[in-house]
This record gives sequence, C-alpha cells and structure tokens, in this order.
Amino acid sequence: EVQLVESGGGLVQPGGSLRLSCAASGFTLGSYSMHWVRQAPGKGLEYVSTIGSNGGSTFYADSVKGRFTISRDNSKNTLYLQMGSLRTEDMAVYYCARDSCGSNCYSYYFDFWGQGTLVTVSS
Amino acid sequence: NFMLTQPHSVSESPGKTITISCTRSSGSIAGNYVQWYQQRPGSSPTSVIYEDNQRPSGVPDRFSGSLDTSSNSASLTISGLKTEDEADYYCQSYDSNSHVVFGGGTRLTVL
Repeated sequence: EVQLVESGGGLVQPGGSLRLSCAASGFTLGSYSMHWVRQAPGKGLEYVSTIGSNGGSTFYADSVKGRFTISRDNSKNTLYLQMGSLRTEDMAVYYCARDSCGSNCYSYYFDFWGQGTLVTVSS
Repeated sequence: NFMLTQPHSVSESPGKTITISCTRSSGSIAGNYVQWYQQRPGSSPTSVIYEDNQRPSGVPDRFSGSLDTSSNSASLTISGLKTEDEADYYCQSYDSNSHVVFGGGTRLTVL
C-alpha cells in the first residue's frame, strides 16, 4: 500500500525557517517525481514545488521561489521541503504528493497524497 | 501563467446530476491534461478524474470528465448524486513550462 507521511510542521515566527519531511512507503521513491502542494486555512489548493525522480530537476511556484528548496534522499525514501524567510501567507497545511508518471518524467497527475502537516507562521 | 476558474459552489438533491466547470484563461484546455480531485472535510485530496476523462481504480462510473474546446473549459459530471459526494472539488492542469495550476475549488452540497 502506497503511503506518504509528512512531518516537521509547527509554529515558526515570520522570517524563520522550517524543514518538512515526507516519508514514503509501499513503493520505490526513487522511481517517481514528487510534489509539494499547500492549502491555507479555509482556502484552496496551491502548487508549491516539484522534484524529478533523481533530484536533478526542480520547479517552484513564483510565490516560494528563492525561499523554499525541495530535495530528496531516495536511499531514505524521504522527500524534503526546506522553507526559509517564512511569511504569514505561507501558513498552510503542506501535502506531499506522488506524480503518477514514473522515472524521469512528469505527468502532473498527483495520484497519491499524504495526510499533510500544518505550518503556522506567527509571532 | 494561466488560471483555472470554477464556480464557488453548487448544490443539488440526491439522485440528480451536476456538472462543475473549469475554464482555462489562456492556452488551450486540450493542450494539457486536466485532473479533478475530491476533498472531503478534514481529509486529503483524492483523484476522481485524470487525463481529462479517466477514472482511477475504485472511482464509480457516476463520475465523468470531459472537455469543451469552444469554451476552453473542462467539466466534471457526477450523476446519481449521493450524500457521500458532498465535498470540495478541484480541477488542476499545467503548461509546457511546468507551471501547475489548481482551480479555486467548488463546494458541492447534496441536500
């Protein structure tokens, strides 16, 4: 069974940093591109970032470019999102999601999602 | 970047049929696949339609997807509405520059 479990969320002050993790099981993480998507309280889904299966390619939404870094450790079956210079508008539940395509490709169809981890940005 | 526009809410009675639209602001709706996700309160999103009109395993055939190039829009149709279909529905697509966009979401109420 495919499972994605996010962790690392919590309360952080504006301007602070946080690293989110997404532990994958039930499939070989290194065989899939992965994504982060967020959802502010009471709001809709917002795309955040993508990383290719071998980590060689990364993409970011304009709203987080230069502040967030996506990475992965396929040997640990774990995806990461390093978030810096956090703003109040970054407050959201952050989901990791698997791309359905497989190695070295992107379908931008998110076939499995984690349960999310809440990031609160407040002084 | 393009936008995907959905109605804010729709409501209908059990057993009826509803259609949720998703209009692309620029670029052809047929140029890149459209996905639809269902999100029940307190839960993560799950896919109900991918690649415009494909249903993931386990999704009932009451759910269907289509494109209308004349209005540059995609649609999600749910027939034989059940109370369990009550949820938020999001369309999602992308472009050739790997820009991924979600629609604003539509709240379906089954009265």
